[in-house]
Amino acid sequence: DTGVSQDPRHKITKRGQNVTFRCDPISEHNRLYWYRQTLGQGPEFLTYFQNEAQLEKSRLLSDRFSAERPKGSFSTLEIQRTEQGDSAMYLCASSPRFGANVLTFGAGSRLTVL
Amino acid sequence: AQSVTQLDSQVPVFEEAPVELRCNYSSSVSVYLFWYVQYPNQGLQLLLKYLSGSTLVKGINGFEAEFNKSQTSFHLRKPSVHISDTAEYFCAVSGSKSGANNLFFGTGTRLTVIP
Repeated sequence: DTGVSQDPRHKITKRGQNVTFRCDPISEHNRLYWYRQTLGQGPEFLTYFQNEAQLEKSRLLSDRFSAERPKGSFSTLEIQRTEQGDSAMYLCASSPRFGANVLTFGAGSRLTVL
Repeated sequence: AQSVTQLDSQVPVFEEAPVELRCNYSSSVSVYLFWYVQYPNQGLQLLLKYLSGSTLVKGINGFEAEFNKSQTSFHLRKPSVHISDTAEYFCAVSGSKSGANNLFFGTGTRLTVIP
């Protein structure tokens, strides 16, 4: 078990470009979460999957954001037509199906939009 | 919904001194409570959690926290800090009922340990 893996760790892009982040959760975890963390703030919930089903989305997840988890394993988070306000750390976490939601976080993907 | 308030954005403390990082929560339902630590350019690491049972919870790296339901608090303490404890600390709350899927985080407290 190598924990939660995120790729890439850093991404610098120009405004208007599309970016995609990948998350590989802990293999036996069937819940997967995406959070966004801006400078000086705590993580904010974006969306949540149980297996391949996206069960909840935050109001923070605008139409330019889309997340998928096609086979219930890894997940991708795509941001289309990036804006400078999208600059943040995007954190992925996973947790087991049953019991309390004890989330294990990845190291995050830092996005800088120029 | 739940929310968390971390009253102190920054806490400087001398090495080997005790420290308390404060956390208050708001919720209309019973809760689970967590403290996470974040080192620079890293993700969040779980320090400790309160799910049920004893209100005094011990975690990793010598940290502990006490759940106080009447004061809706979950303060984090360590009797003697080390330089390596310098990091950002986040308190988080989750509803304990089935279907409560999200963690709500506070804005964080930056602990700086001074040699």
